[in-house]
Amino acid sequence: DADVTQTPRNRITKTGKRIMLECSQTKGHDRMYWYRQDPGLGLQLIYYSFDVKDINKGEISDGYSVSRQAQAKFSLSLESAIPNQTALYFCATSDSGEYTDTQYFGPGTRLTVL
Amino acid sequence: DAKTTQPTSMDCAEGRAANLPCNHSTISGNEYVYWYRQIHSQGPQYIIHGLKNNETNEMASLIITEDRKSSTLILPHATLRDTAVYYCIVRVPYDYKLSFGAGTTVTVRA
Repeated sequence: DADVTQTPRNRITKTGKRIMLECSQTKGHDRMYWYRQDPGLGLQLIYYSFDVKDINKGEISDGYSVSRQAQAKFSLSLESAIPNQTALYFCATSDSGEYTDTQYFGPGTRLTVL
Repeated sequence: DAKTTQPTSMDCAEGRAANLPCNHSTISGNEYVYWYRQIHSQGPQYIIHGLKNNETNEMASLIITEDRKSSTLILPHATLRDTAVYYCIVRVPYDYKLSFGAGTTVTVRA
């Protein structure tokens, strides 16, 4: 969905490096999410934020941190990257004003940790 | 959330309707049926959702049985670009975590 953008789209890094993945949205949504997807597997929720001051851990937050700089921006950091963090990373947004809270995803970032 | 069962894969001819079934026999009264798809390594794309009435949008139609234990996603005129993994998800409103199962791999053939 072009309303949700992620940068970079691809990144190769080395073990121990700090990496930041960025997500921006123009949908005006207040909720934002970070997921990871390993090959052939489903999505795992890393962190989610219901507004700028409300950030929560998901299923697999260890080794990750986030920052909600503004309503439209939500960044994911890998403090010290390790090879098993190699995965596809997706950002998603939703509108708390919509009763069913449908999530819309960005195009993803393919991260490779060597 | 209720568990869903989908066929592993299915083929469809280009230009024909694709009918994707989903079983959710343990669905609760307040759970919605959602459909997403994921084209190879791209971000999951929202398709449609419904509670008990049939729904239609510009992408697809969703038919939910009267007892709500199963549903069918209909892509009216499949194109090659509809080749993707399709996920049927059952969730309560404001369930912040989306759980994708194995989905159905749909291959549209010319």
